[in-house]
Amino acid sequence: EVHLVESGGGLVQPGGSLRLACAASGFTFSTYWMSWVRQAPGKGLEWVGNIKQDGSAKYYVDSVKGRFTISRDNAKNSLYLQINSLRAEDTAVYYCARVFCSGNCYSGEWHFDLWGRGTLVTVSS
Amino acid sequence: DIQMTQSPSSLSASVGDRVTITCRASQSFSGSLNWYQQKPGKAPKVLIYATSILQSGVPSRFSGSGSGTDFTLTISSLQPEDFATYYCQQSRSLPITFGQGTRLEIK
Repeated sequence: EVHLVESGGGLVQPGGSLRLACAASGFTFSTYWMSWVRQAPGKGLEWVGNIKQDGSAKYYVDSVKGRFTISRDNAKNSLYLQINSLRAEDTAVYYCARVFCSGNCYSGEWHFDLWGRGTLVTVSS
Repeated sequence: DIQMTQSPSSLSASVGDRVTITCRASQSFSGSLNWYQQKPGKAPKVLIYATSILQSGVPSRFSGSGSGTDFTLTISSLQPEDFATYYCQQSRSLPITFGQGTRLEIK
């Protein structure tokens, strides 16, 4: 069975750092783009960033550029999110999600077909 | 950036009702519109992708349509398990954006 399991969340002070991980199982991880999506308490979904299959391309939402870094280790079937200079507004559940290309991925023919259960990051002093 | 605006933001309906949720994009595109369902404390789940294609395992009472700037998700006959929050999402261009969500509640 296919699974994504996030870990690494917790309580961190403003300005602090955290590294989130997402362990993939049940599918060939190295063949998929992967994403991080976050959800602040009681709010909607916000895309954080994407990473290509081999890690050679990464894209981020403007609000996290320069502070967040997505990486992956295909040998370990793992996705990571390094989050630095944390702010109160980064408080959220962070989900990893698999990108499924239903057609031409570069023309937007894709969707998130598999999600983890999320890990909560709380930024507070 | 493509802004996605859903309406209504919340909706009360009864079991058996037909419900339509609308998603309006700030720029025109075709095909790259996906719909997700999220229940409290759970991860989102894809229902419809590429505007109108039903994800495997999703009941046929869910359907999607639209093009240009206006897209819709329709539930033909609400079931108790359908009460949840629904999000549209465009995959046409970066940054990827979601609608603000539509909370579907029991009347």
